[in-house]
Amino acid sequence: DIQLRQVPSTLSASLGDRVTITCRTSQSVPTWVAWYQQKPGKAPSLLIYKTSTLEGGVPSRFSGSGSDTYFTLTINGLQTDDLGTYYCQLCSGQSCSFGQGTKLEI
Amino acid sequence: EVQLVESGGGLIQPGGSLRLSCAVSGLIVNRYYMAWVRQAPGKGLEWVSVIYAGGDAHYAQSVRGRFTISTDALKNTVNLQMDSLRAEDTAIYYCVRQSLDAICFDHWGQGTLVSVSS
Repeated sequence: DIQLRQVPSTLSASLGDRVTITCRTSQSVPTWVAWYQQKPGKAPSLLIYKTSTLEGGVPSRFSGSGSDTYFTLTINGLQTDDLGTYYCQLCSGQSCSFGQGTKLEI
Repeated sequence: EVQLVESGGGLIQPGGSLRLSCAVSGLIVNRYYMAWVRQAPGKGLEWVSVIYAGGDAHYAQSVRGRFTISTDALKNTVNLQMDSLRAEDTAIYYCVRQSLDAICFDHWGQGTLVSVSS
């Protein structure tokens, strides 16, 4: 199975900041990465799929990019509502994997 | 609107069995890839299993041989039969729909808690 490693594990930022979370895969992936936001006590929700496509209703301050083994999630102009934990994810072959998560503190 | 509602969680002793069910509305389960994802307390997300529209099923190494995923077309549910449960299976179990291109999870249930403890 492909392993995903997110950096950093915890991120402390201020309102209005631009923050970037990285996700590295253990091998080059011929597929896309997705990103999820999980707020405390809630189920995760899809933010970005196919590496850079925003899910419907997701604010445009979120963006994703990357290829091969390196992917990023960027939030431009951090807002209070962005507090939570973020996960990258991909499916390859007959299984799927998640990164270990990045907890965003504001 | 797609809704996924899990049930069946609870406290179970190690070695025991439990069956989770996910009631689905807004889509026909046999036409999509449906999966289970779990989250141990204070930990990250772990993909558990997926069942394809044609009935093929796949499992994470950690549950293979102990868990069985299935769908019920009449009830429009997705089920997860969990046998030989271990303490490390303690988690919130989320029912999820995999996207049409099977690359992400675009609909999530609220989750049901399974606690394995003596």
